[in-house]
Amino acid sequence: EDKVVQSPLSLVVHEGDTVTLNCSYEVTNFRSLLWYKQEKKAPTFLFMLTSSGIEKKSGRLSSILDKKELFSILNITATQTGDSAVYLCAVRRGGADGLTFGKGTHLIIQP
Amino acid sequence: DTAVSQTPKYLVTQMGNDKSIKCEQNLGHDTMYWYKQDSKKFLKIMFSYNNKELIINETVPNRFSPKSPDKAHLNLHINSLELGDSAVYFCASSQWDPAHPYNSPLHFGNGTRLTVT
Repeated sequence: EDKVVQSPLSLVVHEGDTVTLNCSYEVTNFRSLLWYKQEKKAPTFLFMLTSSGIEKKSGRLSSILDKKELFSILNITATQTGDSAVYLCAVRRGGADGLTFGKGTHLIIQP
Repeated sequence: DTAVSQTPKYLVTQMGNDKSIKCEQNLGHDTMYWYKQDSKKFLKIMFSYNNKELIINETVPNRFSPKSPDKAHLNLHINSLELGDSAVYFCASSQWDPAHPYNSPLHFGNGTRLTVT
Protein backbone atom coordinates (compact mmCIF):
# COMPACT_ATOMS: atom_id res chain seq x y z
CA GLU A 1 0.00 0.00 0.00
CA ASP A 2 1.25 3.49 -0.87
CA LYS A 3 2.50 5.50 2.07
CA VAL A 4 3.24 9.21 2.46
CA VAL A 5 4.61 10.39 5.80
CA GLN A 6 5.03 14.03 6.67
CA SER A 7 6.94 15.51 9.54
CA PRO A 8 6.59 17.32 11.75
CA LEU A 9 2.82 17.06 12.10
CA SER A 10 2.74 20.52 13.60
CA LEU A 11 5.21 23.36 13.91
CA VAL A 12 5.07 26.76 15.62
CA VAL A 13 7.70 29.35 14.73
CA HIS A 14 8.11 33.12 14.81
CA GLU A 15 7.83 35.44 11.87
CA GLY A 16 11.09 35.68 10.00
CA ASP A 17 12.21 32.15 10.83
CA THR A 18 13.04 29.58 8.16
CA VAL A 19 11.19 26.27 8.23
CA THR A 20 11.79 22.92 6.55
CA LEU A 21 8.92 20.51 6.10
CA ASN A 22 9.60 16.87 5.32
CA CYS A 23 7.83 14.28 3.23
CA SER A 24 8.91 10.67 2.79
CA TYR A 25 7.12 8.17 0.62
CA GLU A 26 6.83 4.55 -0.36
CA VAL A 27 4.95 4.06 -3.58
CA THR A 28 5.14 1.60 -6.43
CA ASN A 29 5.78 3.08 -9.85
CA PHE A 30 6.35 6.62 -8.60
CA ARG A 31 5.67 9.40 -11.08
CA SER A 32 5.55 12.72 -9.25
CA LEU A 33 5.37 14.39 -5.86
CA LEU A 34 3.23 17.45 -5.24
CA TRP A 35 3.03 20.02 -2.47
CA TYR A 36 -0.19 21.83 -1.60
CA LYS A 37 -1.04 24.60 0.87
CA GLN A 38 -4.40 24.39 2.60
CA GLU A 39 -5.73 27.31 4.56
CA LYS A 40 -9.43 27.32 5.30
CA LYS A 41 -10.75 25.87 2.10
CA ALA A 42 -9.33 24.28 -1.03
CA PRO A 43 -5.78 22.93 -1.13
CA THR A 44 -3.87 25.18 -3.51
CA PHE A 45 -1.09 23.82 -5.66
CA LEU A 46 2.49 24.85 -4.88
CA PHE A 47 4.95 22.55 -6.64
CA MET A 48 5.21 19.37 -8.63
CA LEU A 49 8.50 17.47 -8.61
CA THR A 50 9.39 14.64 -10.93
CA SER A 51 13.20 14.66 -11.07
CA SER A 52 15.77 14.35 -8.31
CA GLY A 53 17.97 17.23 -7.36
CA ILE A 54 16.19 19.96 -9.30
CA GLU A 55 15.02 22.69 -6.97
CA LYS A 56 11.70 24.33 -7.68
CA LYS A 57 11.36 27.86 -6.38
CA SER A 58 8.55 30.34 -5.99
CA GLY A 59 9.33 33.44 -4.00
CA ARG A 60 10.25 32.42 -0.46
CA LEU A 61 9.21 28.80 -1.04
CA SER A 62 11.38 26.11 -2.54
CA SER A 63 11.25 22.36 -2.79
CA ILE A 64 13.48 19.52 -3.85
CA LEU A 65 13.04 15.80 -4.42
CA ASP A 66 15.40 12.90 -3.72
CA LYS A 67 14.14 9.83 -5.59
CA LYS A 68 16.93 7.64 -4.28
CA GLU A 69 16.15 8.31 -0.62
CA LEU A 70 12.41 8.72 -1.34
CA PHE A 71 11.81 12.08 0.25
CA SER A 72 11.14 15.69 -0.46
CA ILE A 73 11.51 18.89 1.55
CA LEU A 74 9.64 22.15 1.38
CA ASN A 75 11.53 25.20 2.61
CA ILE A 76 9.99 28.51 3.53
CA THR A 77 12.37 31.37 4.29
CA ALA A 78 11.56 34.63 6.09
CA THR A 79 8.19 33.26 7.17
CA GLN A 80 5.17 35.54 7.44
CA THR A 81 1.89 35.09 9.31
CA GLY A 82 0.21 34.47 5.97
CA ASP A 83 2.26 31.29 5.61
CA SER A 84 0.24 29.73 8.43
CA ALA A 85 -1.56 26.76 6.90
CA VAL A 86 -1.55 23.00 6.58
CA TYR A 87 1.03 21.91 4.02
CA LEU A 88 0.15 18.70 2.24
CA CYS A 89 2.48 16.38 0.40
CA ALA A 90 1.05 13.96 -2.16
CA VAL A 91 2.45 11.38 -4.57
CA ARG A 92 1.19 10.16 -7.89
CA ARG A 93 1.97 6.73 -9.27
CA GLY A 94 1.71 5.26 -12.70
CA GLY A 95 -1.18 3.00 -13.61
CA ALA A 96 -3.70 4.91 -11.59
CA ASP A 97 -4.70 8.50 -11.43
CA GLY A 98 -5.34 10.51 -8.32
CA LEU A 99 -3.02 11.47 -5.49
CA THR A 100 -2.11 9.77 -2.22
CA PHE A 101 -1.78 12.41 0.47
CA GLY A 102 0.18 12.58 3.68
CA LYS A 103 -1.48 13.80 6.86
CA GLY A 104 -0.05 17.27 6.47
CA THR A 105 2.11 19.60 8.54
CA HIS A 106 0.17 22.24 10.44
CA LEU A 107 2.40 25.32 10.39
CA ILE A 108 1.69 28.28 12.66
CA ILE A 109 3.66 31.48 12.27
CA GLN A 110 3.50 33.72 15.33
CA PRO A 111 3.99 37.47 14.94
CA ASP B 1 -14.14 32.97 -12.08
CA THR B 2 -14.29 29.86 -9.93
CA ALA B 3 -12.38 27.03 -11.61
CA VAL B 4 -13.80 24.14 -9.59
CA SER B 5 -17.06 24.88 -7.83
CA GLN B 6 -19.02 22.72 -5.45
CA THR B 7 -22.50 23.09 -4.05
CA PRO B 8 -23.60 23.24 -1.37
CA LYS B 9 -20.81 24.60 0.84
CA TYR B 10 -22.48 23.24 3.95
CA LEU B 11 -24.88 20.34 4.33
CA VAL B 12 -26.46 19.34 7.63
CA THR B 13 -28.75 16.35 7.56
CA GLN B 14 -30.00 13.47 9.65
CA MET B 15 -28.92 9.88 9.62
CA GLY B 16 -30.68 7.78 7.04
CA ASN B 17 -31.28 10.61 4.58
CA ASP B 18 -30.07 10.68 0.98
CA LYS B 19 -28.16 13.73 -0.26
CA SER B 20 -26.19 14.90 -3.28
CA ILE B 21 -23.20 17.18 -3.76
CA LYS B 22 -22.59 18.80 -7.12
CA CYS B 23 -19.29 19.70 -8.74
CA GLU B 24 -18.51 21.63 -11.89
CA GLN B 25 -15.20 22.66 -13.41
CA ASN B 26 -14.64 25.26 -16.13
CA LEU B 27 -10.98 24.44 -16.75
CA GLY B 28 -11.67 22.13 -19.67
CA HIS B 29 -10.11 19.23 -17.77
CA ASP B 30 -11.01 15.66 -18.66
CA THR B 31 -10.47 14.03 -15.25
CA MET B 32 -12.42 14.71 -12.08
CA TYR B 33 -12.15 13.34 -8.56
CA TRP B 34 -13.87 13.16 -5.22
CA TYR B 35 -11.79 13.26 -2.05
CA LYS B 36 -12.90 12.94 1.57
CA GLN B 37 -11.11 14.92 4.30
CA ASP B 38 -11.73 13.69 7.82
CA SER B 39 -11.58 15.61 11.09
CA LYS B 40 -7.82 15.08 11.26
CA LYS B 41 -7.43 16.77 7.87
CA PHE B 42 -6.45 13.54 6.10
CA LEU B 43 -7.39 13.69 2.42
CA LYS B 44 -8.29 10.36 0.85
CA ILE B 45 -9.35 9.70 -2.71
CA MET B 46 -12.77 8.19 -3.26
CA PHE B 47 -13.37 8.26 -7.01
CA SER B 48 -11.69 9.33 -10.21
CA TYR B 49 -13.47 9.82 -13.53
CA ASN B 50 -11.80 10.32 -16.89
CA ASN B 51 -14.01 11.44 -19.77
CA LYS B 52 -17.10 10.34 -17.86
CA GLU B 53 -15.71 6.86 -17.15
CA LEU B 54 -14.88 5.57 -13.70
CA ILE B 55 -11.13 5.02 -13.30
CA ILE B 56 -10.64 4.64 -9.56
CA ASN B 57 -13.11 3.44 -7.00
CA GLU B 58 -11.31 3.11 -3.71
CA THR B 59 -12.75 1.22 -0.80
CA VAL B 60 -15.87 3.29 -0.51
CA PRO B 61 -19.25 1.96 0.66
CA ASN B 62 -21.65 1.46 -2.21
CA ARG B 63 -23.95 3.99 -0.55
CA PHE B 64 -21.72 6.51 -2.35
CA SER B 65 -22.41 6.76 -6.06
CA PRO B 66 -20.69 9.23 -8.36
CA LYS B 67 -22.38 10.38 -11.52
CA SER B 68 -20.72 12.23 -14.38
CA PRO B 69 -23.23 13.59 -16.90
CA ASP B 70 -20.42 15.21 -18.90
CA LYS B 71 -16.72 16.00 -18.64
CA ALA B 72 -17.32 19.21 -16.72
CA HIS B 73 -19.52 17.72 -13.98
CA LEU B 74 -19.07 15.05 -11.35
CA ASN B 75 -21.79 14.73 -8.74
CA LEU B 76 -21.72 12.60 -5.61
CA HIS B 77 -24.87 10.98 -4.31
CA ILE B 78 -24.93 9.45 -0.84
CA ASN B 79 -27.68 7.10 0.33
CA SER B 80 -28.63 6.24 3.90
CA LEU B 81 -26.24 8.72 5.49
CA GLU B 82 -24.35 7.61 8.60
CA LEU B 83 -22.63 9.59 11.36
CA GLY B 84 -19.24 8.49 10.05
CA ASP B 85 -19.93 10.18 6.73
CA SER B 86 -19.46 13.57 8.39
CA ALA B 87 -16.43 15.14 6.72
CA VAL B 88 -15.42 17.71 4.15
CA TYR B 89 -15.78 16.42 0.60
CA PHE B 90 -13.54 17.95 -2.05
CA CYS B 91 -14.00 17.79 -5.76
CA ALA B 92 -10.91 18.20 -7.96
CA SER B 93 -9.98 18.12 -11.62
CA SER B 94 -6.90 17.67 -13.78
CA GLN B 95 -6.00 17.31 -17.44
CA TRP B 96 -4.54 14.07 -18.76
CA ASP B 97 -1.61 14.79 -21.09
CA PRO B 98 -0.37 11.66 -22.93
CA ALA B 99 2.97 13.37 -23.51
CA HIS B 100 3.41 13.93 -19.77
CA PRO B 101 1.17 11.43 -18.03
CA TYR B 102 0.61 11.93 -14.32
CA ASN B 103 2.25 15.37 -14.55
CA SER B 104 -0.81 17.51 -14.26
CA PRO B 105 -1.59 18.94 -10.83
CA LEU B 106 -5.06 18.60 -9.38
CA HIS B 107 -7.13 21.71 -8.85
CA PHE B 108 -9.49 21.54 -5.89
CA GLY B 109 -12.86 23.05 -5.15
CA ASN B 110 -13.57 24.74 -1.82
CA GLY B 111 -15.15 21.68 -0.30
CA THR B 112 -18.56 20.71 1.04
CA ARG B 113 -18.77 20.30 4.80
CA LEU B 114 -21.23 17.48 5.47
CA THR B 115 -22.54 17.05 9.00
CA VAL B 116 -24.72 14.06 9.77
CA THR B 117 -26.68 14.25 13.02
